[in-house]
Amino acid sequence: QKEVEQNSGPLSVPEGAIASLNCTYSDRGSQSFFWYRQYSGKSPELIMSIYSNGDKEDGRFTAQLNKASQYVSLLIRDSQPSDSATYLCAALMNRDDKIIFGKGTRLHILP
Amino acid sequence: DVKVTQSSRYLVKRTGEKVFLECVQDMDHENMFWYRQDPGLGLRLIYFSYDVKMKEKGDIPEGYSVSREKKERFSLILESASTNQTSMYLCASSLPRDFSSYEQYFGPGTRLTVT
Repeated sequence: QKEVEQNSGPLSVPEGAIASLNCTYSDRGSQSFFWYRQYSGKSPELIMSIYSNGDKEDGRFTAQLNKASQYVSLLIRDSQPSDSATYLCAALMNRDDKIIFGKGTRLHILP
Repeated sequence: DVKVTQSSRYLVKRTGEKVFLECVQDMDHENMFWYRQDPGLGLRLIYFSYDVKMKEKGDIPEGYSVSREKKERFSLILESASTNQTSMYLCASSLPRDFSSYEQYFGPGTRLTVT
């Protein structure tokens, strides 16, 4: 069973719409979750972290966490072409303190 | 802002060479990590370190070693480079887990090609 799973995409979203990125994780004891954005040829850049159930908003980005369903999501409002990138979901494993990354979802914003 | 720097953006080495990849962070972070990233395989942890002179194996340590003589510097060593070590190598740092934030910050990466 994959520990952090994401749909690889590509996910195509029209400019100005809401992009919804999803992630599931296997370690029920995981407490901390992270979203990274990675442009082609560049390194991952932290967008948001979330630790509690519910929503966390930062500008156009909203992270959502549902620990009962072992599900994390990232919403991007008013999507811009500059949001086109691969988005990595990561979870801190409770059992060994390692952060496990999903393989990422490619997002393409259509002008 | 956290700054993580890596010694080279691009590196070309020959099979059998000893290769050193250097990583420096300026935020006094205790934890440092080395990953490699390959298409279809995602980010894989090679080694990490929680303190000076401490190191722990990650998921794919074979063919690699590390050195952490100073808090700000974490080096990855390829003892005898092979073509299957051609990859993007990423260094990251973070605060310890007992802080509320355990976010990892990445350097720009080193794209290593072994011929």
